[in-house]
Amino acid sequence: DTAVSQTPKYLVTQMGNDKSIKCEQNLGHDTMYWYKQDSKKFLKIMFSYNNKELIINETVPNRFSPKSPDKAHLNLHINSLELGDSAVYFCASSRDRGSGANVLTFGAGSRLTVL
Amino acid sequence: DAKTTQPTSMDCAEGRAANLPCNHSTISGNEYVYWYRQIHSQGPQYIIHGLKNNETNEMASLIITEDRKSSTLILPHATLRDTAVYYCIVRVGIRGSSNTGKLIFGQGTTLQVKP
Repeated sequence: DTAVSQTPKYLVTQMGNDKSIKCEQNLGHDTMYWYKQDSKKFLKIMFSYNNKELIINETVPNRFSPKSPDKAHLNLHINSLELGDSAVYFCASSRDRGSGANVLTFGAGSRLTVL
Repeated sequence: DAKTTQPTSMDCAEGRAANLPCNHSTISGNEYVYWYRQIHSQGPQYIIHGLKNNETNEMASLIITEDRKSSTLILPHATLRDTAVYYCIVRVGIRGSSNTGKLIFGQGTTLQVKP
């Protein structure tokens, strides 16, 4: 009955590879997000989708492509992985109403290590 | 968004109240104060939020000063499980805002609860 689930939890891969991280939420929320936490522990938003529509797209390289097949899923695909992509990636979701729209439920994170 | 300032770290004895301060002197009238925490190796967790009235839920209490320039998160009886980084975030809570859910995480306050 996990609210926001991400897979895989750990991912170790070589430079240049392409990988995906999947995210699913069962909260009935309208908006989903991807956040990145780097080695210095700073959390920063990458993307947000509202009802399958891209809303926020921060200055993220084109190698990162989010895909939302439906409003319960938001997957993150990364092409041509680089060393600097190593980080923990968090998926989150929220309602789309008033102050509650900033009440995010986060997943447990996916730790990506690029060698 | 208004900038927030928090102490880098704090200690608290187990069973005692933990009072975590946050300054947000440039807060606007329509900006809410949100508190999140991140326990080691977990995703961020929403705690509480408020606009101008004090708020209480099962996790914590939020006290916002009358001028709204600062607030205090209170964990009434801290346990070892409350050891985490606590983030104070100020955001506009408008339905459908293009930046809804774009939480700006600073360095937060590392709270160490000691036995």
